[in-house]
Amino acid sequence: DIQMTQSPSSMSASLGDRVTITCRTSQDIGNYLTWFQQKPGKSPRRMIYGATNLAAGVPSRFSGSRSGSDYSLTISSLESEDMAIYYCLQSIQYPLTFGSGTKLEIK
Amino acid sequence: EVQILETGGGLVKPGGSLRLSCATSGFNFNDYFMNWVRQAPGKGLEWVAQIRNKNYNYATYYAESLEGRVTISRDDSKSSVYLQVSNLRAEDTAIYYCTNYYFNYWGQGVMVTVSS
Repeated sequence: DIQMTQSPSSMSASLGDRVTITCRTSQDIGNYLTWFQQKPGKSPRRMIYGATNLAAGVPSRFSGSRSGSDYSLTISSLESEDMAIYYCLQSIQYPLTFGSGTKLEIK
Repeated sequence: EVQILETGGGLVKPGGSLRLSCATSGFNFNDYFMNWVRQAPGKGLEWVAQIRNKNYNYATYYAESLEGRVTISRDDSKSSVYLQVSNLRAEDTAIYYCTNYYFNYWGQGVMVTVSS
């Protein structure tokens, strides 16, 4: 199985900060990487697909990037509504595997 | 407007079985592979199963943790997908979500609680 090592597991940042969350994959997954945002009591929401593509309706302060086996989700200027848990997912190989999540809190 | 509605959850005794249903509308269901994803209370997301569409002979794939106990199926005439889970264990307690191949459409989830 492809392991998704997501970091950090939690973080606290101030409004306006630049925030980066990373997933490192145990095998090559090309760009089959999706990022999700999940708020308490809600279903996950797709934020980034294909590693770098912004999903429909997602604010442009969110972006995705790749460097080798490291995939990153960046929020360029943190807003209060961004408080959530973020997950990555690889979908190139079965079983599909999620990262363990990053809980993002606002200072 | 895309709608996905999961039903069939509830309280089940260990060793019991459950069939979850996912009714969809607002998109061309027949074109899509469909997934089930679950989330145990306070835990992360776990992919459970996928079923491909007719063009791919309705091929199915499962998480290893559930293989042998779970069956995913679909009825294209009803734009619905199903998840049958048997020999339920306490660790199967979770919210079960139905989502499409691209993970851009999700239901609100259905709670399954396995307890005596």
